[in-house]
Amino acid sequence: DQQVKQNSPSLSVQEGRISILNCDYTNSMFDYFLWYKKYPAEGPTFLISISSIKDKNEDGRFTVFLNKSAKHLSLHIVPSQPGDSAVYFCAASFTSGTYKYIFGTGTRLKVLA
Amino acid sequence: SAVISQKPSRDICQRGTSLTIQCQVDSQVTMMFWYRQQPGQSLTLIATANQGSEATYESGFVIDKFPISRPNLTFSTLTVSNMSPEDSSIYLCSVGLYEQFFGPGTRLTVL
Repeated sequence: DQQVKQNSPSLSVQEGRISILNCDYTNSMFDYFLWYKKYPAEGPTFLISISSIKDKNEDGRFTVFLNKSAKHLSLHIVPSQPGDSAVYFCAASFTSGTYKYIFGTGTRLKVLA
Repeated sequence: SAVISQKPSRDICQRGTSLTIQCQVDSQVTMMFWYRQQPGQSLTLIATANQGSEATYESGFVIDKFPISRPNLTFSTLTVSNMSPEDSSIYLCSVGLYEQFFGPGTRLTVL
């Protein structure tokens, strides 16, 4: 049972345009959500997070949107740069108790110059 | 954030053998986590390791197969025992609570 899903395994975007990566979850008890970027041969790098009490969080070119009723979050990258080409994972967790993360399957983003 | 190193970075092993992966953190942390990423798959939590207590394993992972040590607040090891080709994965340690920070990973290939 995949509690966190990223239905698009890959995405290609032109440099300078917006990249939108999507993530769906099934467990309404998740209360903290994160996005990670992973380059080949490296560990995942934390990008941005959002608590369930918010619906938007911005950090520079990265914005995460949370729609709790739809159990959906998205990551917007504006403008996209070739260095953003990587695999992006969303993750969900419970902040009380275990701090256990459930990761999505990842979306490979390719930003074309 | 924390600086995390792992050894080895990669290894090729024969089936039936065991490999111990080390994880070193540059600061003291209460909880350390071990993940596995099988080829083309997501990251899956193996276990949570607290210093001074036995690790807590997730469903599908057992101590006999993945024994973990946590001798102090900056170090942990994960052993992959009696390996089979299905154990070929990237193994990652991480630290942190609300935002976890990951090591570079150990790429294991079992022949």
